Amino acid sequence: GAGVSQSPSNKVTEKGKDVELRCDPISGHTALYWYRQRLGQGLEFLIYFQGNSAPDKSGLPSDRFSAERTGESVSTLTIQRTQQEDSAVYLCASSFGGQGGGYTFGSGTRLTVV
Amino acid sequence: DQQVKQNSPSLSVQEGRISILNCDYTNSMFDYFLWYKKYPAEGPTFLISISSIKDKNEDGRFTVFLNKSAKHLSLHIVPSQPGDSAVYFCAASASRGGADGLTFGKGTHLIIQP
Repeated sequence: GAGVSQSPSNKVTEKGKDVELRCDPISGHTALYWYRQRLGQGLEFLIYFQGNSAPDKSGLPSDRFSAERTGESVSTLTIQRTQQEDSAVYLCASSFGGQGGGYTFGSGTRLTVV
Repeated sequence: DQQVKQNSPSLSVQEGRISILNCDYTNSMFDYFLWYKKYPAEGPTFLISISSIKDKNEDGRFTVFLNKSAKHLSLHIVPSQPGDSAVYFCAASASRGGADGLTFGKGTHLIIQP
C-alpha cells in the first residue's frame, strides 16, 4: 500500500483481556518496528523485525507482550492480560533494511485499558 | 535513564522567525541522529538526519547541527511557518537504526504564532 496501515485505530479493552494490534507495512519494506508512546513520554522501542525474524526483542516490556510477522508483510503485536499501564499509542514503522532515515510510521493504535 | 533528552516540552515562536529545537544525548555509541515531526493523530514523519561524521546538514528551511564533544544537536527552522506547529522528536541510533531501533526523546511541542 501507499503507507503503513495500522488497525484498529482505537481500542478500548477491559483490564485482563487480550488484545491484538495489526500492522501492514509498505510493500517491499523488509524491516518493521514496533514502538509505544505513553502519555507525555517519548517513543519507546519494543521490537524489530528483519523479514520474519526478530533479532531484537529486548524492548518488549514483559512476557505478556509478543509479536509475530508473516514473511515480509503483516505483523501483529499481542498483549495478554492487559493492565492499565499498557494504555498507550502503539506505533508501527517500516523501512528498507534498517536505514534509520527511511522509517515510515503508521498512524498508530490508541489502546486504552479500563 | 534517558539517553536522549529534549529538555523543552514546548516552544513558542513567531511566524517568520527562527525556531531552534535542542536535543542532548548521553550514549557515546550513537552515530546517527534524526528529527521527526508529528501532528496529532498521525504517526511521526521523518524530517532530517545527520551522521556523526558531519556537523551540519541542511535541507531547505531545516538545518541540523551536531556537536559531538558536547553530545548536543539542534534543529533550526527558518523562517518558521504556521504549518511547522507540531511535536518534534529527536532520535538517535548506534547502528543507523538497525537492530537496536531508534532511541527517541520525549519531544518538543513547537507552536508558531501568527
